[in-house]
Amino acid sequence: DTAVSQTPKYLVTQMGNDKSIKCEQNLGHDTMYWYKQDSKKFLKIMFSYNNKELIINETVPNRFSPKSPDKAHLNLHINSLELGDSAVYFCASSRDTTAGGYTFGSGTRLTVV
Amino acid sequence: QQQVKQSPQSLIVQKGGISIINCAYENTAFDYFPWYQQFPGKGPALLIAIRPDVSEKKEGRFTISFNKSAKQFSLHIMDSQPGDSATYFCAANTDKLIFGTGTRLQVFP
Repeated sequence: DTAVSQTPKYLVTQMGNDKSIKCEQNLGHDTMYWYKQDSKKFLKIMFSYNNKELIINETVPNRFSPKSPDKAHLNLHINSLELGDSAVYFCASSRDTTAGGYTFGSGTRLTVV
Repeated sequence: QQQVKQSPQSLIVQKGGISIINCAYENTAFDYFPWYQQFPGKGPALLIAIRPDVSEKKEGRFTISFNKSAKQFSLHIMDSQPGDSATYFCAANTDKLIFGTGTRLQVFP
């Protein structure tokens, strides 16, 4: 039973399109995150939510809009996709905002052509 | 101040050898220092972690050494195995995890 699951695993789309990535965790954690891993494998936090409330927004373009319908789900919607958005996006969760032991999903590889 | 610097970028070790990866930080507010292991096509997985009130933590073949005064910490993998070949990330946490740049470890038989 996957702890943090993301869908889809792969996403190929054209510039200008809008796409969404879904994430669900069954760990009972209060805090969820989106990270972006670029082609050099650098992992950078984008957003964090605690109990459905936005806690961290790391100067991400407003084309990216996270939504948390409940504390077990955190989705990422991206408008007007650009070539530079191509990356692997990871969802993660932790017990609370101070717990550093994050559990990551297996990632969504987004390719914008 | 929020950066975590990691070295080396890549590491090649023979089976049975010791792999050592180093990290340094500036922000003294960091209170939790985990190491993550990532295999191709997978998400990072928590390997071992330490808090700054402890100088060393060992779990099996993996050991974290922590030097609070120098603001440095390192991962030692003893008896490295080909199955350890992966990318390793150090990280530091306050209200969010800040990752190092990663080290690609290759262990050859």
